[in-house]
Amino acid sequence: AQSVTQPDIHITVSEGASLELRCNYSYGATPYLFWYVQSPGQGLQLLLKYFSGDTLVQGIKGFEAEFKRSQSSFNLRKPSVHWSDAAEYFCAVVGDNDYKLSFGAGTTVTVRA
Amino acid sequence: NAGVTQTPKFRVLKTGQSMTLLCAQDMNHEYMYWYRQDPGMGLRLIHYSVGEGTTAKGEVPDGYNVSRLKKQNFLLGLESAAPSQTSVYFCASSRQGSDTQYFGPGTRLTVL
Repeated sequence: AQSVTQPDIHITVSEGASLELRCNYSYGATPYLFWYVQSPGQGLQLLLKYFSGDTLVQGIKGFEAEFKRSQSSFNLRKPSVHWSDAAEYFCAVVGDNDYKLSFGAGTTVTVRA
Repeated sequence: NAGVTQTPKFRVLKTGQSMTLLCAQDMNHEYMYWYRQDPGMGLRLIHYSVGEGTTAKGEVPDGYNVSRLKKQNFLLGLESAAPSQTSVYFCASSRQGSDTQYFGPGTRLTVL
């Protein structure tokens, strides 16, 4: 069965510092990978996705993620965080010809001034 | 385009009461989904639909029923609410199964 692990429950980062959120997945076939962001009281917004091709994916709001098949990872990065990046981030995986999107438990990001 | 909308936004029920949550999408998507979100557990799939007139169980379907009479609408019903169903419910839709899912704003349900 597919699964997603986000090892960090909570990360605190200073404004202007870099951010990296970890995501490890388990899936037997070719995975499609997503990062979503959820601001307090809001729904989920897609940040970026990986289906195939270039393993470094650019997303909205200055985020990028790198797919590493050998490590079963899809880590999210941002070079310089803004206070508005404080939110909960979810990594998710689905397989080709599949429907079931499996989510990690989420990582809450706090940004300090 | 409104995308995915959900009604109501908030609801408080007493144990044993019933209610229906409505999800609507205007993107002509075939697939629709209902999730629940609980602290520390991410999102868990309750039921889903691969097209008008079809429904199927997800990973946590007990206590819920769904219907998809029209392509654009997906209803989630609670026949006899229990405190364990206190959660935030999200609807989503996608063009096809492995495609990007677009989420609604959520419904916060409290069962007393």
